[in-house]
Parts: sequence; C-alpha cells; structure tokens
Amino acid sequence: DGGITQSPKYLFRKEGQNVTLSCEQNLNHDAMYWYRQDPGQGLRLIYYSQIVNDFQKGDIAEGYSVSREKKESFPLTVTSAQKNPTAFYLCASSSTGTATSYEQYFGPGTRLTVT
Amino acid sequence: AQSVTQLDSQVPVFEEAPVELRCNYSSSVSVYLFWYVQYPNQGLQLLLKYLSGSTLVESINGFEAEFNKSQTSFHLRKPSVHISDTAEYFCAVSDFSSGGYQKVTFGTGTKLQVIP
Repeated sequence: DGGITQSPKYLFRKEGQNVTLSCEQNLNHDAMYWYRQDPGQGLRLIYYSQIVNDFQKGDIAEGYSVSREKKESFPLTVTSAQKNPTAFYLCASSSTGTATSYEQYFGPGTRLTVT
Repeated sequence: AQSVTQLDSQVPVFEEAPVELRCNYSSSVSVYLFWYVQYPNQGLQLLLKYLSGSTLVESINGFEAEFNKSQTSFHLRKPSVHISDTAEYFCAVSDFSSGGYQKVTFGTGTKLQVIP
C-alpha cells in the first residue's frame, strides 16, 4: 500500500533537547510538507519541499529545520530554539506538474510533548 | 493572500439529522477548494474537492459541497449524519504561487459531534 509514515506516534523530550521527526512516503510525490497543528488553530505550514535538495520556509519556520536528501524522506528537526514545541506534527505530500490531483496526502502524525 | 474562515468551531447534531458546516474563503486568484476530515489522533483525509466544472461535488459517503463564487463559500452538507461522522472537518483553499508552488491554507476546523 502506498502512503506516508511518520514515526514515532508519540514523542517526549526534555526542554533544551533537539528532536527529529521522521516522515517517509512511497507515493513517488515530488512535494512534501510539514505542518503543525494546535487546538483551535488549524494547520500551519512549517516547511515545504518541491524537489530533492531544495526546501523553503513556511509561515512558522523559526526553531525548526529540515532536509530533503531523498525523494522519499523529509525529516523535521525541532530545535531548542522553538519556544513552544509541544504540538501535533503532520507530514504531507502531493504530486506536481501536469499529473497532479492537487490534493495533499497526510501521514498519521507525531504528537510531541516537551517538558 | 488567501484565507479560510470556518466560523463554527463545534457543531452538535443528532444522528440522522442534516448538517451544514460553513466555509468562506478569500483569494485574489482562482482557487481550488477542499474539505478534509480528521479522526482523533490521526492525519487528515481528503473528503472532496472542487477544481473546476460542476459547482456541486460529492463524496462517496454522502457528503456534498457547493462552490459559490459570488459568496466565496464552499459549505459542506450531509442530509443525514451517522455516529461515524463524528470528526473534525477542515476546509482548505489552494492556489499556485509564482514558481508553481501549491500554497494551501487551512481553516481552523469544525468539530462535528453526532449525538445518538
């Protein structure tokens, strides 16, 4: 089955530690995205990547970093500079170009708790 | 800049009753419109989308939405809800910014609670 996997499902960290969230897709999609979800705020875009070795900041990139070394993988690092990192993080992907269906496909999410 | 407004944060409705979840958007260019559904502690799943053509779009589980350009709305409706429809619903709008990037803006979500 094609889809997006995110691991782990739940993650606990102490304040001041960096943490990396995994996102892998086997949909052969060029574009990948990271969103942060907080209650009552919808989804906010952290970073996106349209192609391997290229990524762009979204609306709330401060305190986060990403890499895109492979088409299938788009890991997100939450650094100690992120002031309020506790949230539900969602990874998504989409096709691009003339074959696009315009929708985004989402992973199951990682719930990060920092204390 | 584009934006999406979902005025109702929660909508309680009795089982088998009809429901409408409201969505209004603003954008300076032509847009594509989506409704996504999220069950607790899961990712989002596409429910239906409007790209072009008929302004009424339907999902396989009985939901429908109508694109109204003059009112800039894309309300989601279902004539008879089931307990399994209890979830959070997100309206989203996307356009293509310069460079071909598909920018998607999500609403704040509406929690549909179906009461037995």
